[in-house]
Amino acid sequence: DAGVTQSPTHLIKTRGQQVTLRCSPKSGHDTVSWYQQALGQGPQFIFQYYEEEERQRGNFPDRFSGHQFPNYSSELNVNALLLGDSALYLCASSLVPGRDEKLFFGSGTQLSVL
Amino acid sequence: GQQVMQIPQYQHVQEGEDFTTYCNSSTTLSNIQWYKQRPGGHPVFLIQLVKSGEVKKQKRLTFQFGEAKKNSSLHITATQTTDVGTYFCAGVRTTGRRALTFGSGTRLQVQP
Repeated sequence: DAGVTQSPTHLIKTRGQQVTLRCSPKSGHDTVSWYQQALGQGPQFIFQYYEEEERQRGNFPDRFSGHQFPNYSSELNVNALLLGDSALYLCASSLVPGRDEKLFFGSGTQLSVL
Repeated sequence: GQQVMQIPQYQHVQEGEDFTTYCNSSTTLSNIQWYKQRPGGHPVFLIQLVKSGEVKKQKRLTFQFGEAKKNSSLHITATQTTDVGTYFCAGVRTTGRRALTFGSGTRLQVQP
């Protein structure tokens, strides 16, 4: 039973570039949430996808966008990268919102913006 | 917006000593969850508390949810080196956005 998988594991970009991160949820899960974790901080909620739609969104600018595919996998896109976007990006999957909010996290993508 | 605060930020204990971390939310929560993140790893779910005043135990770990459902605590009895990591509480609001809001975490270091 595969857990949550994310790719790539590490990424280096320069300011102004765009990046796409990918996530496959745990088998049987249909909801994907994305979190940003800066060094020494707790994960900050970016957004959540369910039934291919963005259901909830945290306090992140429109430069952060996402998508969910029919197979429940998801992508996180960040445009016009800033130095402050350097962080660990975590994908988490769960069951239907409101039924069980327990999250299963992937190992994350470490993004460095130079 | 909702804020979830944890104290202390960091604790260094000798192996065998007890450890407690406290979590406080600015809003009433429908439930609270605890996660552990090992150095270089990702958060791993430990437990979920739903009822006011609920207490749950997992071996040496004791979790409590406050009567007002705005605070929680995690207590570890007789710490071991395997307890090293950062412990996060995460709460779901009773109204509005239901996404998990994580606290800032308490980093535990255990000296053998």
